[in-house]
Amino acid sequence: DAKTTQPTSMDCAEGRAANLPCNHSTISGNEYVYWYRQIHSQGPQYIIHGLKNNETNEMASLIITEDRKSSTLILPHATLRDTAVYYCIVRLMYSGGGADGLTFGKGTHLIIQP
Amino acid sequence: GAVVSQHPSRVICKSGTSVKIECRSLDFQATTMFWYRQFPKQSLMLMATSNEGSKATYEQGVEKDKFLINHASLTLSTLTVTSAHPEDSSFYICSPLAGFYNEQFFGPGTRLTVL
Repeated sequence: DAKTTQPTSMDCAEGRAANLPCNHSTISGNEYVYWYRQIHSQGPQYIIHGLKNNETNEMASLIITEDRKSSTLILPHATLRDTAVYYCIVRLMYSGGGADGLTFGKGTHLIIQP
Repeated sequence: GAVVSQHPSRVICKSGTSVKIECRSLDFQATTMFWYRQFPKQSLMLMATSNEGSKATYEQGVEKDKFLINHASLTLSTLTVTSAHPEDSSFYICSPLAGFYNEQFFGPGTRLTVL
């Protein structure tokens, strides 16, 4: 799986949009970008994933650059409960056959300030 | 999304004892189960992968005789930490995988403290 680079930490004011960047310059054509987050002392939570088109769901938006070498996760209206470590992971889509576990980097510790 | 439970959520035990952690996928069948651990202020590290009815495969540095994994059914997997020592104190997280899902789900984790 391709390696990702994220800032160690970020602050964001409550109510504002939180934009979390991720670099994945060695991504291959059939690898997807996944985002998970982990709130303190809980298991990781899936947020969103995408291949090359921008994606949006009830939690967040994912913007992937045209060359797919980087992406940005956007939390449109951050709340205090969004304080967590956010992980950007690049991997192949599951095919239903054999699968590998996710490789977690250090992630970005997002702190939402009141 | 899928619902995953782990039991217990927190356990404290004496050095030398064994601890069993259960992971259940409540509304789907998991053909593959991943077990992770997370030491304080570190990221999740994959320990082992098991497929239902097969022996687990362990990551480098993880002792298979110490961390026993049973994946006897599609909805239940157990991780037993045998002869636990203080250095085994960690946050253990299971992650069942169903082939038809595009995302991987995680259990809420089990905090193990070995005295």
